[in-house]
Amino acid sequence: NAGVTQTPKFQVLKTGQSMTLQCAQDMNHEYMSWYRQDPGMGLRLIHYSVGAGITDQGEVPNGYNVSRSTTEDFPLRLLSAAPSQTSVYFCASSYGVSGNTIYFGEGSWLTVV
Amino acid sequence: GENVEQHPSTLSVQEGDSAVIKCTYSDSASNYFPWYKQELGKRPQLIIDIRSNVGEKKDQRIAVTLNKTAKHFSLHITETQPEDSAVYFCAARGRNTGNQFYFGTGTSLTVIP
Repeated sequence: NAGVTQTPKFQVLKTGQSMTLQCAQDMNHEYMSWYRQDPGMGLRLIHYSVGAGITDQGEVPNGYNVSRSTTEDFPLRLLSAAPSQTSVYFCASSYGVSGNTIYFGEGSWLTVV
Repeated sequence: GENVEQHPSTLSVQEGDSAVIKCTYSDSASNYFPWYKQELGKRPQLIIDIRSNVGEKKDQRIAVTLNKTAKHFSLHITETQPEDSAVYFCAARGRNTGNQFYFGTGTSLTVIP
């Protein structure tokens, strides 16, 4: 049981490039989400999914796309990277959408130059 | 949506003293309140949580209290140790916010030996 696995751990992008952050969980969790963490701003929700085929926007969705074709995977796509997207990204999952805590991946450090 | 405020942003205590971190939330329908500890370069990890039908929960040196009327909850760490030094995040999850987690901005706790 690996939990929540994120790749890559570190990435440097040039402005305008696109990339995908991968996230997979092996706990059969229905709920998956992506957060970004910036100094002094805590964790902010980007996108989330309550099950395969269902996604929705969080607090800061602009510039990001997601899809959920399987229960296990929830990739985050940066369409055209901007320096403002320099951040630490965390994928998270939980058993359900009511009252259960979430488990985080190890994080992906992204720098856009 | 939900708004979670966390104070203080930084906290220094002498080893053996107690530390208290406070959070307020805005959505009266929020019903689950976890606390996470994040060490430098690591993922946030759950340390304690409380549900809205409980006023207090304790786990060894860590306790959380919830005041639903005032919409605030607090983390109490007693007999602090240097290994308690980390950033602590509170969060709230509730029905009126699509069961999403909203996080406070974090408290950087330093325990001075």
